[in-house]
Amino acid sequence: SYVLTQSPSVSVAPGKTARITCGGNNIGGNSVHWYQQRPGQAPLLVIYYDGDRPPGIPERFSGSNSGNTATLTIGRVEAGDEADYYCQVWDSSSDHVLFGGGTKLTVL
Amino acid sequence: EVQLVESGGGLIQPGGSLRLSCAASGITVSSNYMSWVRQAPGKGLEWVSVIYSGGSTYYTDSVKGRFAVSRDNSKNTLSLQMDSLRAEDTAVYYCARVRAYTSSWYFDYWGQGTLVTVSS
Repeated sequence: SYVLTQSPSVSVAPGKTARITCGGNNIGGNSVHWYQQRPGQAPLLVIYYDGDRPPGIPERFSGSNSGNTATLTIGRVEAGDEADYYCQVWDSSSDHVLFGGGTKLTVL
Repeated sequence: EVQLVESGGGLIQPGGSLRLSCAASGITVSSNYMSWVRQAPGKGLEWVSVIYSGGSTYYTDSVKGRFAVSRDNSKNTLSLQMDSLRAEDTAVYYCARVRAYTSSWYFDYWGQGTLVTVSS
């Protein structure tokens, strides 16, 4: 079955750029969506269809997807960006949704 | 404004049953694809089930045959009937609205979740 692989943790200093990756076999052939989950809160959609932002999500959040890796990039990181981030794809062959294991972003 | 409010969670013994509900406002449940997603304590997100606007349902393999998703159009609510519960079903259960297109789907609105604890 298809597996999405995320690094468990990423650390970045305030004002710098954070890159969170999601690996999968030919993931570039899928559309990838990203969610932010702050402690004790429900997930929040931050990127859909690889690089589109929902209303209200800052332009600092961007996404890309090619080959075997999708990437969520957060520019000018702020303390409030500290959260778990999950990638997600839809497996059309089974009508099942798959999530990556999540990456904890720590702002130093 | 879209709001999804889950209820029905609690402590239940292994083998027991529980019914979760998700009350929606700002959207019509029957016109949308709606899903349940769960998160075990300290773990990641796991998709559980979906009900299409046409009524078709799909489940992750671990709950197939034990869980059933349904909706009450008159009350604009989504439900998840959970039978034969196991310790590994312990999780916060979220309902979410699905945005579905031919190439993919994603979840654009989420409830705050309800905790289900399966333990003796």
